[in-house]
Amino acid sequence: DVKVTQSSRYLVKRTGEKVFLECVQDMDHENMFWYRQDPGLGLRLIYFSYDVKMKEKGDIPEGYSVSREKKERFSLILESASTNQTSMYLCASRPPVGEQFFGPGTRLTVL
Amino acid sequence: QKEVEQDPGPLSVPEGAIVSLNCTYSNSAFQYFMWYRQYSRKGPELLMYTYSSGNKEDGRFTAQVDKSSKYISLFIRDSQPSDSATYLCAMRVGETSGSRLTFGEGTQLTVNP
Repeated sequence: DVKVTQSSRYLVKRTGEKVFLECVQDMDHENMFWYRQDPGLGLRLIYFSYDVKMKEKGDIPEGYSVSREKKERFSLILESASTNQTSMYLCASRPPVGEQFFGPGTRLTVL
Repeated sequence: QKEVEQDPGPLSVPEGAIVSLNCTYSNSAFQYFMWYRQYSRKGPELLMYTYSSGNKEDGRFTAQVDKSSKYISLFIRDSQPSDSATYLCAMRVGETSGSRLTFGEGTQLTVNP
């Protein structure tokens, strides 16, 4: 079974803090994705990566950065967390051809 | 206008009912169509994955794609309380690395015992 894991299920941070969200997949997938999910707005793509050290902006990259130093790991970084970044963050991975699998999500609250 | 439209519901049905969930889309280049189920406070899990037009059946679930009408459906037969979840449609143009999914907003379904 494909497994996508995220470092935390729940996270509470303060405004201005630097926040790291980690995602690891164990199926050697090339493609990895970070989304945020908000009521009424659905899933929105923040960044994605199709190879190690490669990254592409999604629809809402502002306020975020990413890092992919190893194939299995894709990190999302909030350089200076703000209250409007309170959300559910979902990581996903996919091979070049085939289905996309999601992690369990990290519910981030920024106070 | 959104590229993928999905009625957010909520939809409430009695146990045993047939449920029909639908999405319409505007981009005729979409070729790969998916349905995800998402339980509260969990990540989406893939239910159905289809290519181009036609039907696909898996147990109580049937996915239909009508590319001429730009319309996809998910049918759930003999619905159970455990089917209560949000159902997301998703679609993609191609299968190349880096190609992105476009999601509907999700339909919240409750199946009442």
